[in-house]
Amino acid sequence: GAGVSQTPSNKVTEKGKYVELRCDPISGHTALYWYRQSLGQGPEFLIYFQGTGAADDSGLPNDRFFAVRPEGSVSTLKIQRTERGDSAVYLCASSYTGTPQETQYFGPGTRLLVL
Amino acid sequence: DQQVKQNSPSLSVQEGRISILNCDYTNSMFDYFLWYKKYPAEGPTFLISISSIKDKNEDGRFTVFLNKSAKHLSLHIVPSQPGDSAVYFCAASGVQGAQKLVFGQGTRLTINP
Repeated sequence: GAGVSQTPSNKVTEKGKYVELRCDPISGHTALYWYRQSLGQGPEFLIYFQGTGAADDSGLPNDRFFAVRPEGSVSTLKIQRTERGDSAVYLCASSYTGTPQETQYFGPGTRLLVL
Repeated sequence: DQQVKQNSPSLSVQEGRISILNCDYTNSMFDYFLWYKKYPAEGPTFLISISSIKDKNEDGRFTVFLNKSAKHLSLHIVPSQPGDSAVYFCAASGVQGAQKLVFGQGTRLTINP
């Protein structure tokens, strides 16, 4: 596709459950980013992939959060033992090479609600 | 700590007039600044950027001004159009070469006909 796509668009789960959120970056983009946006706030950085490897995971809030990008394209953000505080919009972005001062293009996000 | 701040949660402007959105930052290591626009249920869309070596960048109706000494940037939209109604986020990057963006809280701009 032409842009970054994310699935599902909405996810409702119960506290304690496991969820996976998927991101398809723009074709050919080697850099991929995950952000989380809580209500009334700006997006907050979670993790950055350069190719298959996580180059910066300093934004992951705790060890319940994990992300993979096994083939350097699609990425999956995994959240274990979900908590109500994990409710947010999870945004994925990609950029061509990941060099500084390069534009990041965002997907529409996955809205996660933990009941 | 909030390293990038947008102190105005909302702004209302008459169609055809100038909209000015403001952003302040605290980390002097930031060297690249961006503005994103966001419509409901969509992801942020890149609007305009500026490197710290410049003090102004213009693209059509949009101009971004950077005042490094004041750690302040602003986005000017002129003339404002109804389609400009959206939430605008200021973002910064570049600390120690990091690619991650640090966002402000956003300003909701409403353009009145």
